[in-house]
Amino acid sequence: GQNIDQPTEMTATEGAIVQINCTYQTSGFNGLFWYQQHAGEAPTFLSYNVLDGLEEKGRFSSFLSRSKGYSYLLLKELQMKDSASYLCAVVDSNYQLIWGAGTKLIIKP
Amino acid sequence: IAGITQAPTSQILAAGRRMTLRCTQDMRHNAMYWYRQDLGLGLRLIHYSNTAGTTGKGEVPDGYSVSRANTDDFPLTLASAVPSQTSVYFCASSDWSSGGAGTDTQYFGPGTRLTVL
Repeated sequence: GQNIDQPTEMTATEGAIVQINCTYQTSGFNGLFWYQQHAGEAPTFLSYNVLDGLEEKGRFSSFLSRSKGYSYLLLKELQMKDSASYLCAVVDSNYQLIWGAGTKLIIKP
Repeated sequence: IAGITQAPTSQILAAGRRMTLRCTQDMRHNAMYWYRQDLGLGLRLIHYSNTAGTTGKGEVPDGYSVSRANTDDFPLTLASAVPSQTSVYFCASSDWSSGGAGTDTQYFGPGTRLTVL
């Protein structure tokens, strides 16, 4: 079966750095997405990785290792508005998105 | 403002009733999707359409049907609602390439919160 694993919940302090991990086992791999979802709102696109390595975009960076079936989202200089759920999704061999259950990130002052 | 709209925002429905959730996008995306999101579970694909006139089944299609008469609209119908269909429903769209490069970013509507009693 196909499986995406993320921690259910994480807590971090305003101004700090947090790393949200995602491991996957899917039938094929055609890229990995990270989305942000604030409570009661729609998911919004953060990043897409298809090659190994780190992609940096402002305070957010995303890393991929295809050989390890592993990705992480790194959030720097945390702000209260970063409190949200972060969803990892993998594009499988049929070009369907397989979604993780999401990681709820709680930011404390 | 370009984007995706969904209606209704929320609905309480008696079991056994028929319900259509509406979704319209104005980004001229060829692909559209319907997901349900339940607490503790990831987004699960119900049905999708890669282009107007075609539809496909996702991971959890039973009890749902869709149609894609044109590029902009992608309604989801529950023929006879059951309590297990209580969920938040998201419609999404993307530019999808027929060459199999279906890796384009999906853009989501605001969701419909449906409760079936």
